[in-house]
Amino acid sequence: AQSVTQPDIHITVSEGASLELRCNYSYGATPYLFWYVQSPGQGLQLLLKYFSGDTLVQGIKGFEAEFKRSQSSFNLRKPSVHWSDAAEYFCAVVPNAGNMLTFGGGTRLMVKP
Amino acid sequence: DVKVTQSSRYLVKRTGEKVFLECVQDMDHENMFWYRQDPGLGLRLIYFSYDVKMKEKGDIPEGYSVSREKKERFSLILESASTNQTSMYLCASSPQGTYYNEQFFGPGTRLTVL
Repeated sequence: AQSVTQPDIHITVSEGASLELRCNYSYGATPYLFWYVQSPGQGLQLLLKYFSGDTLVQGIKGFEAEFKRSQSSFNLRKPSVHWSDAAEYFCAVVPNAGNMLTFGGGTRLMVKP
Repeated sequence: DVKVTQSSRYLVKRTGEKVFLECVQDMDHENMFWYRQDPGLGLRLIYFSYDVKMKEKGDIPEGYSVSREKKERFSLILESASTNQTSMYLCASSPQGTYYNEQFFGPGTRLTVL
């Protein structure tokens, strides 16, 4: 079945350390790709998206993501994590135009002081 | 500042009760969505609406219905609540055109069915 996978349910990093959250998809064609963040008690907020073009995408809050077609991946990165980045992160995919968002299971990020 | 509001943050209901979850957006968006969020499963689409009085089933519509009588308001209805509907419910909206271009989310309603 076509799907979106976030292999890491929980990740803990120290403040100031780098971060990479993984996302893999299993759709045949290149889909549209998104990362959303859900801070405690908040709705989801769009961090960044990729539709086409440059495979390295810059987003808000210092996040970036890289699309790798050969690996069917769209991993989210941040060079230096802040305590306020503790949240749940969702990768989402639209298989092709006209379809709906399909979300991964989410990765909960905890930040150690 | 764009805003999607949901009528309750927490709700506790009894099995068999009829439950209404309300969502209001102030961005004049055409598209509105109801998702269910469960640990490890991410968000799953229940229903969406692309215009007043229009609705389409999402991935998990069973046990739910929706109503959109005004552009800014989208209601989710549980006709007869069951314990397996205990979950977090998120509403979202997006402007006309593509459904996937940034969706704006409300803070969610955590529903517990006893």
